[in-house]
Amino acid sequence: EPEVTQTPSHQVTQMGQEVILRCVPISNHLYFYWYRQILGQKVEFLVSFYNNEISEKSEIFDDQFSVERPDGSNFTLKIRSTKLEDSAMYFCASSVIREHGYTFGSGTRLTVV
Amino acid sequence: QQPVQSPQAVILREGEDAVINCSSSKALYSVHWYRQKHGEAPVFLMILLKGGEQKGHEKISASFNEKKQQSSLYLTASQLSYSGTYFCGTEISSSYKLIFGSGTRLLVRP
Repeated sequence: EPEVTQTPSHQVTQMGQEVILRCVPISNHLYFYWYRQILGQKVEFLVSFYNNEISEKSEIFDDQFSVERPDGSNFTLKIRSTKLEDSAMYFCASSVIREHGYTFGSGTRLTVV
Repeated sequence: QQPVQSPQAVILREGEDAVINCSSSKALYSVHWYRQKHGEAPVFLMILLKGGEQKGHEKISASFNEKKQQSSLYLTASQLSYSGTYFCGTEISSSYKLIFGSGTRLLVRP
């Protein structure tokens, strides 16, 4: 069964450093998303991406966040200057069309120290 | 805009039934249901689109009442493998994102 692949699985970074989280969505999927989940809490929407541009972003997704699809397959989330409160599990998800369920990757656990 | 889920937690004996509810104050385009086990990613269970319908998946089914903007997930004859946190996600017509509820923790005991 096709999977969404995320790397790295765990990243530890110092406050103020830049991190790039990588995702390879399922190849025929058209809609891409980033969500985050602070331990034990709800899954929070960050950004949706369709047709090579951002469809929608949340209030969390401020100027320190950016997304790219640099080569037509990878989908990256960059956090320019990490804060302690950015520590969370970051999930990438994709769907083939809007009316289908999302397939989530296994996540990147980001720890900011 | 976040949907409201209830109950927050449920403890069942194997074989018992449960209902998890999700309600929204907005007119919904779709409702999704996901199950997340500890330390894992959410896994898609089913989607219900506006128009009001009921869907089934093995012993797990769901309904969507479009008039009330409410959805319910029905777990029948629960199995140990049903344990986890269940999230509903809602989407409105003008938006391209799911907003998830705060989750319902389900524990099935032998």
